[in-house]
Amino acid sequence: SQQGEEDPQALSIQEGENATMNCSYKTSINNLQWYRQNSGRGLVHLILIRSNEREKHSGRLRVTLDTSKKSSSLLITASRAADTASYFCATETITGGGNKLTFGTGTQLKVEL
Amino acid sequence: SQTIHQWPATLVQPVGSPLSLECTVEGTSNPNLYWYRQAAGRGLQLLFYSVGIGQISSEVPQNLSASRPQDRQFILSSKKLLLSDSGFYLCAWSPPSNYGYTFGSGTRLTVV
Repeated sequence: SQQGEEDPQALSIQEGENATMNCSYKTSINNLQWYRQNSGRGLVHLILIRSNEREKHSGRLRVTLDTSKKSSSLLITASRAADTASYFCATETITGGGNKLTFGTGTQLKVEL
Repeated sequence: SQTIHQWPATLVQPVGSPLSLECTVEGTSNPNLYWYRQAAGRGLQLLFYSVGIGQISSEVPQNLSASRPQDRQFILSSKKLLLSDSGFYLCAWSPPSNYGYTFGSGTRLTVV
């Protein structure tokens, strides 16, 4: 089952603009992660934020986490055409069988020149 | 450095045929291993995960199964494929908690 829902499903912006994607989830989590997928390819890990953290930065990426609202956002600043991809949030939970990562539905980002 | 290998890249199989997809990890020991499936234009669905040899947790009961015969080897199998098994299958590994997961390049399976 999908843990997270992402909003918007698709986003089209101009190069240089900022892109914001939101993610909501349902259960308590150990951490939340964001991944990028270029068309038809594997996923690349972008950033991880732990459940006790509220904000994290990595280069042009800024992630926030609000555990009271069970939501997160990913901000990509000064977007480039090469940022065109699908972006997924994923929540890690701890189970009796081990840690597992459950993905949201994804946001398709298109950055136009 | 750690690497993950997944093969084949593409596979076309007839309905009712068996399936075996293999994933291996190098450069680490006792990794957590995962199989995901992605339908076209959709998110990833967790199928199986494993914390050690012979330890498999199933998320989606269906005609797929997984095995972990060695520490760094994870196999996804089916005895008889269905049309609905078509999709993009991704293997992933992670260290213990609070680290990002590393994904293989995926196998695109088409059942015809």
